[in-house]
Amino acid sequence: DSGVTQTPKHLITATGQRVTLRCSPRSGDLSVYWYQQSLDQGLQFLIQYYNGEERAKGNILERFSAQQFPDLHSELNLSSLELGDSALYFCASSASSGGLETQYFGPGTRLLVL
Amino acid sequence: DQQVKQNSPSLSVQEGRISILNCDYTNSMFDYFLWYKKYPAEGPTFLISISSIKDKNEDGRFTVFLNKSAKHLSLHIVPSQPGDSAVYFCAASAFNAGGTSYGKLTFGQGTILTVHP
Repeated sequence: DSGVTQTPKHLITATGQRVTLRCSPRSGDLSVYWYQQSLDQGLQFLIQYYNGEERAKGNILERFSAQQFPDLHSELNLSSLELGDSALYFCASSASSGGLETQYFGPGTRLLVL
Repeated sequence: DQQVKQNSPSLSVQEGRISILNCDYTNSMFDYFLWYKKYPAEGPTFLISISSIKDKNEDGRFTVFLNKSAKHLSLHIVPSQPGDSAVYFCAASAFNAGGTSYGKLTFGQGTILTVHP
């Protein structure tokens, strides 16, 4: 158990819909990262938040957004969903702002868009 | 542009023998490297890491070797156990790459390790 929790574990929705994925980092960790794992792309970095502020951005679509709240939990919002958004979404956390740090991953949310 | 590559999609090893998983990278800005193990339907589990100022790091049965000049790292598991069967991911980060990838991990495609009893 990494100490990172993610809800829900599974999500099935329809194209065009909007969903919210939630992540709670390990106790004391200030950074939260979001990654997407699809069949053909492997694990891809989406976005990092550090202590409530956006720190780094990867290949995140404009239809996706995230935020980190004062209690340090984070939410990833996916809107206007398309079939290709079906994937595993992982959240990870690290102690500080990143760089030479280990990231610990949650169990993931499996999203299926029908 | 795949900056981290694991060229062997799979590896099969006998229990008790050594497993060697390889990883190559192209971005010379990478200075921290990690190995993760992943079971189906679970998140990646951290195994071991190494910073670019070292060429070897050991933790129990796991040893990671880094060859910066060749931009190559490897994970050795000795002795291999059936419970080690999983997908292994190599990942890399750059401490400061123009301020746009701070903390971002770039992953390889993974190698499926099967350890036979």
